[in-house]
Amino acid sequence: AQSVTQLDSQVPVFEEAPVELRCNYSSSVSVYLFWYVQYPNQGLQLLLKYLSGSTLVKGINGFEAEFNKSQTSFHLRKPSVHISDTAEYFCAVTYNYGQNFVFGPGTRLSVLP
Amino acid sequence: SQTIHQWPATLVQPVGSPLSLECTVEGTSNPNLYWYRQAAGRGLQLLFYSVGIGQISSEVPQNLSASRPQDRQFILSSKKLLLSDSGFYLCAWSLGVLGRGYTFGSGTRLTVV
Repeated sequence: AQSVTQLDSQVPVFEEAPVELRCNYSSSVSVYLFWYVQYPNQGLQLLLKYLSGSTLVKGINGFEAEFNKSQTSFHLRKPSVHISDTAEYFCAVTYNYGQNFVFGPGTRLSVLP
Repeated sequence: SQTIHQWPATLVQPVGSPLSLECTVEGTSNPNLYWYRQAAGRGLQLLFYSVGIGQISSEVPQNLSASRPQDRQFILSSKKLLLSDSGFYLCAWSLGVLGRGYTFGSGTRLTVV
């Protein structure tokens, strides 16, 4: 079955430190990969996506992610986080042009002053 | 530009009462529409999706139902709410092939008391 794993349920980091949020997915022939951010009591907002081409994808708010096909990973990174980055982050994958996404369980990023 | 509206933002309902949550999309035609639920401390669960008027697919058996009376309107309903129906409900839309990802509404916080 198709699945998405986010190994860390919670990630606390200090302000201005780098962060990496991990995402792994079950292998498939073709995938589209996404990262979403959810601020408290709000809907999900698309951060970035990988469809094809360069494996390093840059998104909004200074985030980037790298698609690694051999490791079936799509980790999200930011070199220096801000307090305002505190939110829940969801990795999502759509397989073979499927009708819906498979979401990971989410990682709660807490940026500490 | 496309926008998605979801209301109400918050709702407190007694057990056994009916429910109606509405979602509308503007600026596009024939979108795929989705209802997700996010229970406290848990990930996103796809409840229903629709690829056209009157076409509803249910992902999990439950106390809820969905309808799509118009192309850009998606309604989530229940005849009798249960305590377990509490959660954060998100509507989303996409176009055909999911390369663009989902666009989410702002969500409805439902508390059943």
